[in-house]
Amino acid sequence: DVVMTQTPPSLSVAIGQSVSISCKSSQSLVYSDGKTYLHWLLQSSGRSPKRLIYQVSNLDSGVPDRFSGTGSQKDFTLKISRVEAKDLGVYYCAQTTHFPRTFGGGTKLELK
Amino acid sequence: EVQLVETGGGLVQPGKSLKLTCATSGFTFSNAWMHWVRQSPEKQLEWVAQIKAKSNNYATYYAESVKGRFTISRDDSKSSVYLQMNSLKEEDTAIYYCSSGGGFAYWGQGTLVTVSS
Repeated sequence: DVVMTQTPPSLSVAIGQSVSISCKSSQSLVYSDGKTYLHWLLQSSGRSPKRLIYQVSNLDSGVPDRFSGTGSQKDFTLKISRVEAKDLGVYYCAQTTHFPRTFGGGTKLELK
Repeated sequence: EVQLVETGGGLVQPGKSLKLTCATSGFTFSNAWMHWVRQSPEKQLEWVAQIKAKSNNYATYYAESVKGRFTISRDDSKSSVYLQMNSLKEEDTAIYYCSSGGGFAYWGQGTLVTVSS
């Protein structure tokens, strides 16, 4: 199975600060079609997960451009600029290149 | 507006069965790949199963932890996906979500399954 390792497990941030979350996979996430199926999700408290970014760097509709995703092969980063209160929650990376699909352990973003 | 609504969860004894339903609307269900994902009490997300569309011969895939016990299916006429869960174990206790799209584009609100004697 592809192991997805997220760091850090938690982050304390002040409103307006910028933060980065790392996600490393145990295998390359490049599929045979040349695309990389690495996605970022946010689960706010008491809610179901919501996808923010798909295929490394594509923002889902309605997601502010304060969010950005970068990376390739096995090393990926989610950056949030100018954090707002509504950004708090647990962030997960997920891969759908390989079976079984796997998720990172999550990064909890909370207020300092 | 895309909607996914899971139903069918509840309290069940070990060894028993339960069937979950995910009713969808707001997108072309017949073209969509669908997943079931569960979240344990420890909050870890675990992919459970996937079913592809008719154009992919409704191919199905399972996590090793549920293979042989769980069955994913779909009814395109009802825009619904199902998860038949047999021989349930205590470690199957979780919130079960359905999700649409190959890349987990949309999620339902989840349904809680508790396996306990």
